[in-house]
Amino acid sequence: KAGVTQTPRYLIKTRGQQVTLSCSPISGHRSVSWYQQTPGQGLQFLFEYFSETQRNKGNFPGRFSGRQFSNSRSEMNVSTLELGDSALYLCASSLAGWGASTDTQYFGPGTRLTVL
Amino acid sequence: AQKITQTQPGMFVQEKEAVTLDCTYDTSDPSYGLFWYKQPSSGEMIFLIYQGSYDQQNATEGRYSLNFQKARKSANLVISASQLGDSAMYFCAMREGAGNYGQNFVFGPGTRLSVLP
Repeated sequence: KAGVTQTPRYLIKTRGQQVTLSCSPISGHRSVSWYQQTPGQGLQFLFEYFSETQRNKGNFPGRFSGRQFSNSRSEMNVSTLELGDSALYLCASSLAGWGASTDTQYFGPGTRLTVL
Repeated sequence: AQKITQTQPGMFVQEKEAVTLDCTYDTSDPSYGLFWYKQPSSGEMIFLIYQGSYDQQNATEGRYSLNFQKARKSANLVISASQLGDSAMYFCAMREGAGNYGQNFVFGPGTRLSVLP
């Protein structure tokens, strides 16, 4: 079974631009979560989507948004990029069935975004 | 409040020896899951092992085992017979089970393990 894929793997943008990152979950997984990882802040939860609906949201400004399509693929968008948005963006998918505390997340390789 | 604490920012271990990475957590939810992930320098987070709050036995997966002490709220990862390829960041994470679909994952700050030849 193919793992979680993320595109692109690397991205360089300038301040003020916007960016869209893509994530394809493991086949059969219906939940997709996004995380931002920086050396200073560690791993921070952005949001989780399940069946095209945002189910959980972290503490990030409205410039960060996402969506999920009917095939469970997800995109994350960051508008008006700031230097501090430079980070590794990780996507994770899970089955999201009953007994959610047991629901293991499997991560993609990440997209490394650099904002100049 | 910090929900996941990993008190060892960095650790060294000799190849072929065992090592324990500490993790303590904080929750009032009786239903929760504890996870360990490995992140090599390439960046990808690799799932290692899972322990449920209601599991009676400690989880094991190959060379990985989880020393689960519920009363002390600790979930330490034990790696037996360390290999050079084990050098990486290790994250402890928790997902509480409140509601039908639970809450989002919370990750600790990580421990950087270096295996010495």
